[in-house]
Amino acid sequence: KQEVTQIPAALSVPEGENLVLNCSFTDSAIYNLQWFRQDPGKGLTSLLLIQSSQREQTSGRLNASLDKSSGRSTLYIAASQPGDSATYLCAVGANTGANSKLTFGKGITLSVRP
Amino acid sequence: GAVVSQHPSRVICKSGTSVKIECRSLDFQATTMFWYRQFPKKSLMLMATSNEGSKATYEQGVEKDKFLINHASLTLSTLTVTSAHPEDSSFYICSARTSGMRDTQYFGPGTRLTVL
Repeated sequence: KQEVTQIPAALSVPEGENLVLNCSFTDSAIYNLQWFRQDPGKGLTSLLLIQSSQREQTSGRLNASLDKSSGRSTLYIAASQPGDSATYLCAVGANTGANSKLTFGKGITLSVRP
Repeated sequence: GAVVSQHPSRVICKSGTSVKIECRSLDFQATTMFWYRQFPKKSLMLMATSNEGSKATYEQGVEKDKFLINHASLTLSTLTVTSAHPEDSSFYICSARTSGMRDTQYFGPGTRLTVL
């Protein structure tokens, strides 16, 4: 059974700092990996999707990497801003045929201090 | 594009009543919809997967008679929590995907259910 771990559960940084959020998973036979953002009491916004054959994806100040063999992914946020404060969820997609299921980590709650 | 809505956004009900939550894909046809449950400081847990016109596939440990899922059209799925109890209080989130978009699930804004 796939397990996804995100440590630490919470992180507080000053504005402008570059930071890395970590995600680890136990089963390396994944279809893809996604990073989501969730604001308090809200749904999920997809940030980046990395296919199992890819190493990284970039979008603006965000860069996500994937190392399938070691079961790790990182989300790099450059020049953090207070507006980046949210919970960041890592989700691993399983290769289960037509319905690719997502297994989520518990998330990392990021607070960027002005 | 690819907007998913949920209604209601929050609901408070008495123990023993049934509550229906709607999930709609507004600008695409959702051949597959997923229902998740999220407890505070916990992961999103997949409850069930539903394909339009078929019975939902429930994850292990999820009571299908407790959580009734109907995906009668390509734009609407409903989750009914029957005879709700306080332990059913949670944040319920749906997501939707269309055929040919295996990689991408679009998530709704969630519904906060509180059972008194």
